[in-house]
Amino acid sequence: NAGVTQTPKFRILKIGQSMTLQCTQDMNHNYMYWYRQDPGMGLKLIYYSVGAGITDKGEVPNGYNVSRSTTEDFPLRLELAAPSQTSVYFCASSSGRPLSGQYFGPGTRLTVT
Amino acid sequence: QKEVEQNSGPLSVPEGAIASLNCTYSDRGSQSFFWYRQYSGKSPELIMSIYSNGDKEDGRFTAQLNKASQYVSLLIRDSQPSDSATYLCAVEGLLYGGSQGNLIFGKGTKLSVKP
Repeated sequence: NAGVTQTPKFRILKIGQSMTLQCTQDMNHNYMYWYRQDPGMGLKLIYYSVGAGITDKGEVPNGYNVSRSTTEDFPLRLELAAPSQTSVYFCASSSGRPLSGQYFGPGTRLTVT
Repeated sequence: QKEVEQNSGPLSVPEGAIASLNCTYSDRGSQSFFWYRQYSGKSPELIMSIYSNGDKEDGRFTAQLNKASQYVSLLIRDSQPSDSATYLCAVEGLLYGGSQGNLIFGKGTKLSVKP
């Protein structure tokens, strides 16, 4: 199993541009998550999904959108990129069973200039 | 606001010593607790989970949970330079609509093991 994969690994965007961060998992997990991690600030939940067709906002959803058309894929869309969105983005998945935890992808390092 | 607090460190220990990492949480109803290790420039990796009060051992790692004191810790015995990383404490919470599986992360403690 590849686990959780993310593309791209790195990206530089200009202010106002848009892009989609891709996330795929092959563990048949129902739960998927998007986090951002800023230096010294820990992981902040952006959006999450409990299954195909179901998404919900996390702690910091403004400026982002998600969709979940399949169990495997959970793309994150950035519209009108701003410098405040410069961060490392992690996708994670979970079976949702007690004590199963979440499994993270390798991350996407995004810079908005 | 449900919170998870960790000392940011850095915590420096000599090779072979015991490293002790601590975490407190604010939600008394929390049931599941996790420790993640994150090497610089990499993603978090799950290393331990604990549900019951007391100790849980896995190799050189021991997780300790005290729900009455709302305190969870991670002990690393015989610390190695390869253990140098940031350790994130995470608590499972029913935030954002009550969905099981949501984790609240602390900011992490940076551990440095000196040869």
